[in-house]
Amino acid sequence: QKEVEQNSGPLSVPEGAIASLNCTYSDRGSQSFFWYRQYSGKSPELIMFIYSNGDKEDGRFTAQLNKASQYVSLLIRDSQPSDSATYLCAVPSGGYQKVTFGIGTKLQVIP
Amino acid sequence: GAVVSQHPSWVICKSGTSVKIECRSLDFQATTMFWYRQFPKQSLMLMATSNEGSKATYEQGVEKDKFLINHASLTLSTLTVTSAHPEDSSFYICSARKGGNQPQHFGDGTRLSIL
Repeated sequence: QKEVEQNSGPLSVPEGAIASLNCTYSDRGSQSFFWYRQYSGKSPELIMFIYSNGDKEDGRFTAQLNKASQYVSLLIRDSQPSDSATYLCAVPSGGYQKVTFGIGTKLQVIP
Repeated sequence: GAVVSQHPSWVICKSGTSVKIECRSLDFQATTMFWYRQFPKQSLMLMATSNEGSKATYEQGVEKDKFLINHASLTLSTLTVTSAHPEDSSFYICSARKGGNQPQHFGDGTRLSIL
């Protein structure tokens, strides 16, 4: 089992819809979880982080964490074509020294 | 806050040249910096992790004598690609982190092309 798993996609959603991006992780001791957005040819940028079980909302983004199921997700409401990018899930482990990134899910928002 | 500056953005040079890339945390002290490489349409690949004042920890398969990392201060890390060859052409990205459970913040990356 990979340490951090994501579906590579592409995930296609129509403009205005909710995009749901999922990530599972294997280290039960992980305490912090990060979502990054990477546009083609650019470096990743942090968009959300979550430490506690439940939901965390920031504008159109909501991160959801379920530590019992080892599952973290990112919801993007009212998706826009500018949201089209690859979304990376990142999970520190091993006492935080190591950070494992998922392969990333490519999101395509269709106008 | 949490700005990371990476320089240069682009490098084009001849085979055999050594290239140095700088990564600076501008508004915070970074206990740990990371260096990644990314080939077109592929995932980020971690090359090494460096803590200020310590030797870098390299990932399996990354030649430490070829990719020299110096993390001399809490705001500066450098990656030197020694005697670069065309197969070293890639997108190199650094990131910096304040502390253990804090997120990494990425620089804008350096696109390296070796002719």
